[in-house]
Amino acid sequence: EIVLTQSPATLSLSPGERATLSCRASQSVSGYLAWYQQKPGQAPRLLIYDASNRATGIPARFSGSGSGTDFTLTISSLEPEDFAVYYCQQRRNWPPFTFGGGTKVEIK
Amino acid sequence: EVQLLESGGGLVQPGGSLRLSCAVSGFTFSSYAMSWVRQAPGKGLEWVSAISGSGGSTYYTDSVKGRFTISRDNSKNTLYLQMNSLRAEDTAVYYCAKDVWFEELSGAFDIWGQGTMVTVSS
Repeated sequence: EIVLTQSPATLSLSPGERATLSCRASQSVSGYLAWYQQKPGQAPRLLIYDASNRATGIPARFSGSGSGTDFTLTISSLEPEDFAVYYCQQRRNWPPFTFGGGTKVEIK
Repeated sequence: EVQLLESGGGLVQPGGSLRLSCAVSGFTFSSYAMSWVRQAPGKGLEWVSAISGSGGSTYYTDSVKGRFTISRDNSKNTLYLQMNSLRAEDTAVYYCAKDVWFEELSGAFDIWGQGTMVTVSS
């Protein structure tokens, strides 16, 4: 089973700042990595699939990069609605599809 | 509008059973693989099970194999999860989720339901 480790666990930033979230895989997932956003009491929302492709309707301030074992989600300029928990997820080796433990982006 | 609506959650004793349903609208249900993903209180996301569009292929995470059964009724646009021999550690919000790509079980999920809570406790 591929383990995904996200860092940091919590990121404290102000609106307008740049957010950089990391996801590291225990073995290569090639480019088969997705990012999701989850707000309290809501279902997750797909942001990025296959490392760098924005899902439908996702603003351009969200971008993904990486391949193999190291991936990054960047939010270029935080909007108030971006404060949430972010999860990475791999679909290279399955079952199971696995998720990282999450990074909480909170208001500083 | 694409919608997924889960139901069937509730409180059940250890060893008991529940059947979750996910009613789908707004897309050609039979053309997309579907999954169940759960989230224990205050915890992260855990993929539970997936099923192909035809229903002919099913997959499970190890901790639920032999206890949970995923199925679908394409005539009713409904996904199911039969959960037997429930344990305290199965307590979670259960989400149904649609696969991104047409006629492929890809494991990327673009549409999620609102979730249904399952609590296993005596």
